[in-house]
Amino acid sequence: SSELTQDPAVSVALGQTVRITCQGDSLRSYYASWYQQKPGQAPVLVIYGKNNRPSGIPDRFSGSSSGNTASLTITGAQAEDEADYYCNSRDSSGNHLGWVFGGGTKLTVL
Amino acid sequence: QVTLKESGPVLVKPTETLTLTCTVSGFSLSNARMGVSWIRQPPGKALEWLAHIFSNDEKSYSTSLKSRLTISKDTSKSQVVLTMTNMDPVDTATYYCARNTYYYGSGSRNYYMDVWGKGTTVTVSS
Repeated sequence: SSELTQDPAVSVALGQTVRITCQGDSLRSYYASWYQQKPGQAPVLVIYGKNNRPSGIPDRFSGSSSGNTASLTITGAQAEDEADYYCNSRDSSGNHLGWVFGGGTKLTVL
Repeated sequence: QVTLKESGPVLVKPTETLTLTCTVSGFSLSNARMGVSWIRQPPGKALEWLAHIFSNDEKSYSTSLKSRLTISKDTSKSQVVLTMTNMDPVDTATYYCARNTYYYGSGSRNYYMDVWGKGTTVTVSS
């Protein structure tokens, strides 16, 4: 199966912009979706498709994609954005058609 | 309001079979765009996708766990069931179910998991 690679940890100063990236061959064919997970909680969808936000997700969250890399950008990071972020996409490697998650990025807001 | 709720044993012994149930509300499992995925997360580790069932009852499994997993659904009960055989301590994790739906964009289906259950923690120990 395919893999999605994320930086394990990223930090950002309060109010600044941060980009979290996700790399993988499957991203050449499929858009990534992004999930925010805070300690002890279930993941929450923050970005899906080309650049879509579910209802209730602040517009400081945005997504983009180029080649084999998907990015989640937080413009004007807030303290409440400190969390783990996971990318996910369909996985069509070999004869398998399923889904795959990245290893997660721990975002620290300084 | 769309909700999903996982249920199952808290503790299983090694070699036993785990059976988890995801009970959904606010949508129908027979809706063409509605599927359900199971995902797990070992303590302190990343999310891992396990299995998915589509509205037409087609199934998809993680390549690495396919031999141990079975996913099924009972549309009348609004339930999706995951069984995992031959449990091992490394299978200790929080198990989540999530609605996995899609929209059409750029000529293809774009999937996303928009609603998750709170998860159920399973410990494998003798």
